[in-house]
Amino acid sequence: GQNIDQPTEMTATEGAIVQINCTYQTSGFNGLFWYQQHAGEAPTFLSYNVLDGLEEKGRFSSFLSRSKGYSYLLLKELQMKDSASYLCAVVNSNYQLIWGAGTKLIIKP
Amino acid sequence: GAVVSQHPSWVICKSGTSVKIECRSLDFQATTMFWYRQFPKQSLMLMATSNEGSKATYEQGVEKDKFLINHASLTLSTLTVTSAHPEDSSFYICSARGTSDHEQYFGPGTRLTVT
Repeated sequence: GQNIDQPTEMTATEGAIVQINCTYQTSGFNGLFWYQQHAGEAPTFLSYNVLDGLEEKGRFSSFLSRSKGYSYLLLKELQMKDSASYLCAVVNSNYQLIWGAGTKLIIKP
Repeated sequence: GAVVSQHPSWVICKSGTSVKIECRSLDFQATTMFWYRQFPKQSLMLMATSNEGSKATYEQGVEKDKFLINHASLTLSTLTVTSAHPEDSSFYICSARGTSDHEQYFGPGTRLTVT
């Protein structure tokens, strides 16, 4: 089967750094997405990795290791508005998007 | 950037009636559109995938006669919830994918409440 694993919930402090991990087992790989979803809203795109390594985009960075089936999303200088669910999704060999259940991130002042 | 709209953004209907939700790609041609359902505090659940001009492919457990999907053009897909019941109350989200990339662009979602 295909599955995406990520922690259900994480808590961090405003101004700190948090790393959200995602491991995957899919039939083939054609890239990995991270999306942010605030409660009651649709997901919004954060990053796309298809090659190994770190992609940095402002306060957010995403890392991929294809050999390990592993990715993480790194959020720096956390702000209260970063409280949301973070969804990891992998594109498999059939170009289907396989979704993780999401990680709810709680930011405390 | 790519923009996807959904209409209506929220709807309340009576049990037994049908509701149609529209999903439009505003500035690109969407060869593939996806319909998701999301219950509170749960992740997205893919309902069906539709390609323009062909029948939708439904995920296991999703009734195709209850959730009618039409993708008649490269910019419009519709989801009709037929004979709605209270358990169909959910957040319905569409996404669209163009021809040149793998990213899915999400609509803002439609919150359906069936009374």
